[in-house]
Amino acid sequence: IAGITQAPTSQILAAGRRMTLRCTQDMRHNAMYWYRQDLGLGLRLIHYSNTAGTTGKGEVPDGYSVSRANTDDFPLTLASAVPSQTSVYFCASSDSGEREQFFGPGTRLTVL
Amino acid sequence: GQNIDQPTEMTATEGAIVQINCTYQTSGFNGLFWYQQHAGEAPTFLSYNVLDGLEEKGRFSSFLSRSKGYSYLLLKELQMKDSASYLCAVRDSNYQLIWGAGTKLIIKP
Repeated sequence: IAGITQAPTSQILAAGRRMTLRCTQDMRHNAMYWYRQDLGLGLRLIHYSNTAGTTGKGEVPDGYSVSRANTDDFPLTLASAVPSQTSVYFCASSDSGEREQFFGPGTRLTVL
Repeated sequence: GQNIDQPTEMTATEGAIVQINCTYQTSGFNGLFWYQQHAGEAPTFLSYNVLDGLEEKGRFSSFLSRSKGYSYLLLKELQMKDSASYLCAVRDSNYQLIWGAGTKLIIKP
C-alpha cells in the first residue's frame, strides 16, 4: 500500500441498509478524517480522529459513526442509509506535526 | 458562522496567467491551504500560507493577507492539464479545515 486506500470504489445501496466504508493508510499518520463532497458545496467534515483510540464529530456527523482501533484503519459506518447520504466520500490523513492532509481516492455512494 | 468564498468558475487561455481569489471568515486562523482536484479524483495539496505574503512554488504562487481575510492562487504559463477545480481551505481555531466550494478552472487552447 502506498498512501491511503479506500474501499469500495463505488456502491449502490438500498435505503435502510447498513454500510461500512473502509479506509487504510500506511504513512503512520496520527490524524484521520472523513469528508463528504457534494456538488456545489465544499468538503464537509463528518468525523475525525486525532490519534488511535479517539474520535470526534465534525460538521455533519448525524447518521454516521466511526472507530479508530489502530493507527492505520478508520472505517465509516452508515447504520441505516438514507438517500441524502448519496455523495462522494473521501478519507484523509495527516501527521499531527505536518501541515497538509493526504486524501484517499474516494468512494462514490448512491443510496436509492 | 464560518464562510469561505471563491468564484464558481473561471476560464483562461493556455500559456496565460490566472488568479483565483479566496476570501474567508472563520473562527480563528491557523493557516490557509490550496488544493487541486481533477474531475473524479481526490484533492491534492498545492500550497500553504500561515504568514502574510507570497509563497512561490514553480508555476504556482499563493498569497495571504490575514488582516483582509484574503488569499489568491496565481497560476502562470497555464497548461491544459491545469484544468481542474481549485479548493481553498482555512484551518480554524479547532485545527479543523473549513473548505470553500472550489473554483472550476477551464483552460482553452
